[in-house]
Amino acid sequence: EIVLTQSPGTLSLSPGERATLSCRASQSVTSKYLVWYQQRPGQAPRLLIYSTSNRATGVPDRFSGSGSGTDFTLTISRLEPEDFAVYYCQQYDMPPRYTFGPGTRLEI
Amino acid sequence: QVQLQESGPRLVKPSGTLSLTCDVSGGSITSNWWSWVRQSPGKGLEWIGEIHHEGGINYNPSLESRVTASIDKSKNQFSLNLYSVTAADTAVYYCAGSTDWRLDYWGRGTLVTVSS
Repeated sequence: EIVLTQSPGTLSLSPGERATLSCRASQSVTSKYLVWYQQRPGQAPRLLIYSTSNRATGVPDRFSGSGSGTDFTLTISRLEPEDFAVYYCQQYDMPPRYTFGPGTRLEI
Repeated sequence: QVQLQESGPRLVKPSGTLSLTCDVSGGSITSNWWSWVRQSPGKGLEWIGEIHHEGGINYNPSLESRVTASIDKSKNQFSLNLYSVTAADTAVYYCAGSTDWRLDYWGRGTLVTVSS
C-alpha cells in the first residue's frame, strides 16, 4: 500500500505570496494517478489538479502541479484570500483504491 | 453539470447499520464510477469504496468486511451500507463521481453520528 505524506502540516503565508506544498509517496506513483484537492471550511473537497499537472475546469492558472516518482508539488503563484484552505493529495493504485495524504492547512 | 446529494439517517446506534443514498442529477449514473469518502471530525479523507453500473465494485481493504455498495440505474442513485458501526464511524460522508482515477464530482456531505 502506498502511503502519502504532506508537508508542511500547516503553512502560514500572506495574500500575494507564493505557496509551495509537497506530497511524498512511500513508493513511486504513476503521474496520471496523482491528484490534488482543495477543501475550504465547511465544504466538500474540490478537484484542483489531476494527472500531476492538469488543472481541473475552472481552476485559476495561479495553481500548478509538478513532480514525478515519489515527489510531487502543488504551487500557488500568488495567494488570493479564497486560497486559504486545506489541500490534499491523492493517488490511485492497485488493488483499486484511492488514498489521500493527511493534508496541508494553508492559513493566513 | 453533475450534482450529487447524500441522504439518510443522521444518527445511528452503535452496532447498527449506517445506510446512505446518493442521488445523481445532471448526468447519467452509467457515465462514471461512483465512490463514497468519509471524513472524521477534524481529520483527513478516507475512501470507502466505489461501484460501477456494470457491476464492478472495489472497497477499501480496511472496511471491506463491513461495507456493501449498490446501484439503482432506474433511480440514478447509488447506496452505501456500513455494518456494525461504532463511534469511530462518526464522520461526514461524501458521495463522489470519478473519471480516470480522480474524484471529479462531490456531494455536499452529510454528518452521520454513531451514538446511543
